Amino acid sequence: NAGVTQTPKFQVLKTGQSMTLQCAQDMNHNSMYWYRQDPGMGLRLIYYSASEGTTDKGEVPNGYNVSRLNKREFSLRLESAAPSQTSVYFCASSAFTTYTNYEQYFGPGTRLTVT
Amino acid sequence: AQTVTQSQPEMSVQEAETVTLSCTYDTSESNYYLFWYKQPPSRQMILVIRQEAYKQQNATENRFSVNFQKAAKSFSLKISDSQLGDTAMYFCAFMNRDDKIIFGKGTRLHILP
Repeated sequence: NAGVTQTPKFQVLKTGQSMTLQCAQDMNHNSMYWYRQDPGMGLRLIYYSASEGTTDKGEVPNGYNVSRLNKREFSLRLESAAPSQTSVYFCASSAFTTYTNYEQYFGPGTRLTVT
Repeated sequence: AQTVTQSQPEMSVQEAETVTLSCTYDTSESNYYLFWYKQPPSRQMILVIRQEAYKQQNATENRFSVNFQKAAKSFSLKISDSQLGDTAMYFCAFMNRDDKIIFGKGTRLHILP
């Protein structure tokens, strides 16, 4: 049971390049999330997916697209990277195992630098 | 919209002391969840403690406890007998039943030897 995995761990892009951050979970969770973390800003929600086939915008969706490929995988795509997207990106997954028992787990993060 | 406010950007305490981190939130919901997460220098997000809003009893996990004041929309974290390994960023977070989680900006806690 690996929990939430993210690839890559580090990435450097040039302005205008594109890339996809991959996330997978093996806990059979319904909900998955992408956050970005900037100094002094905490974690801000980019997109989330409450179930397979659905996605919704979070607080800072501009410049990103997501795909919920199946229940396990939730990818984040930067079509044309900008220096303002330099950040640490976290993927997370969660589920209510009962009405009151809620589980949530985070991946290890991806540090992305756009030059 | 829900918001989470952590008013203490940074704190320092001596090892073995007790420290309290503050968190307030704003919501019109009556049923929701509150969390405290720890982020050490490794960057991994670690769940410290969670509280269901419908439960009046404050959650406790070993040296970590919360003071949940629903009417005041306050959710503070108390760390007793603080240890060097408690040095980290601490984030307060809110979630209602739509599964959307909102984080505060964090409190950087330093435990001094």
